[in-house]
Amino acid sequence: AQRVTQPEKLLSVFKGAPVELKCNYSYSGSPELFWYVQYSRQRLQLLLRHISRESIKGFTADLNKGETSFHLKKPFAQEEDSAMYYCALTLDTGRRALTFGSGTRLQVQP
Amino acid sequence: GAVVSQHPSRVICKSGTSVKIECRSLDFQATTMFWYRQFPKQSLMLMATSNEGSKATYEQGVEKDKFLINHASLTLSTLTVTSAHPEDSSFYICSARDWQGGNEQFFGPGTRLTVL
Repeated sequence: AQRVTQPEKLLSVFKGAPVELKCNYSYSGSPELFWYVQYSRQRLQLLLRHISRESIKGFTADLNKGETSFHLKKPFAQEEDSAMYYCALTLDTGRRALTFGSGTRLQVQP
Repeated sequence: GAVVSQHPSRVICKSGTSVKIECRSLDFQATTMFWYRQFPKQSLMLMATSNEGSKATYEQGVEKDKFLINHASLTLSTLTVTSAHPEDSSFYICSARDWQGGNEQFFGPGTRLTVL
């Protein structure tokens, strides 16, 4: 079965520092990868997806099929980036059910 | 953007009673909705896929007679927790797939269920 691994439960950085939230997946096929973000007291929302190849709020993520990774990066963290980040994948184009990683809490300190 | 609502946001019930949670897509049609469960400090676990006009698809280990799902219209899915027990206490989150909008899933705010 497919699996998404986020090794860090908590990542604490100072404002202006680079950020990298790690995500690895296990699946032999070609999944679609996503990053979702949940700000305090808000619902889960899509941050970005690998097929879009875009930068959202300064975040980027590149799918590395060789390393089966989809790490989320931002060169200069802002305090408003503090949130819970979930990496997720979907396998099939039919149901589009998501498999989530355990999440990483990002704390950006002033 | 597309909005998904859930009602109620919080419910407390006695053990043995049934609780219904509604999930609505407010400005788009959703042929498919998903129900997730989230334990404290843990990730979202898919419980079932709700299909409009047909039976729900349950994930392994999820009791279909315990968690009844009805998707009677293109904008509403309901999850009924039957004969609730304290171990059913959790955060239940639904999402709806906007098939006309690139298949993106939009999440509801969640429902906190506490069974006494």
